[in-house]
Amino acid sequence: NAGVTQTPKFQVLKTGQSMTLQCAQDMNHEYMSWYRQDPGMGLRLIHYSVGAGITDQGEVPNGYNVSRSTTEDFPLRLLSAAPSQTSVYFCASSYIRTAGYNEQFFGPGTRLTVL
Amino acid sequence: GENVEQHPSTLSVQEGDSAVIKCTYSDSASNYFPWYKQELGKRPQLIIDIRSNVGEKKDQRIAVTLNKTAKHFSLHITETQPEDSAVYFCAASRGDMRFGAGTRLTVKP
Repeated sequence: NAGVTQTPKFQVLKTGQSMTLQCAQDMNHEYMSWYRQDPGMGLRLIHYSVGAGITDQGEVPNGYNVSRSTTEDFPLRLLSAAPSQTSVYFCASSYIRTAGYNEQFFGPGTRLTVL
Repeated sequence: GENVEQHPSTLSVQEGDSAVIKCTYSDSASNYFPWYKQELGKRPQLIIDIRSNVGEKKDQRIAVTLNKTAKHFSLHITETQPEDSAVYFCAASRGDMRFGAGTRLTVKP
């Protein structure tokens, strides 16, 4: 099992450019999510999905789009990059069971710099 | 939406002492409360979690307590060791998971 994988590991963009951060998991998890981590602010939820074809907004969704066409993949799109989007981005996934949500497994992260 | 507050933001203890980190949450519908440890440059990893139908859970030197009435939960680490030094995050979930801002724990040898 590869677990949760993310590409790229590092990325530098210029203001206004667009790009897609890739996330994939091979654990057949229903739930997938994207977080950004900024110093002193913990992990803030951007978007999440409870299954293929279903996505919802988190705390800080502006400037980001997601889609979930398969159980395995959950790409995050930056539409027009801004310096405020400089951050470390983590993808995570988990099972959903009748008892509720479960441990989220995190990917290794993508460090994004917007100039 | 859910709001999670975490205190303290930094904590320094002597090796062998205990460390306590506290969190409060706002949404009474939250039913899952994990704690994650993040070492520098690495991804967060789960160290312990608790559900709303349980008041306390232990795993060796780590324990978590939950007070649903007061909407707060705490992480207790006993007999701290230098390798416990890291940033610790609490979280609360009723579906979408919200994290606290983190506590940087330093264990001095």
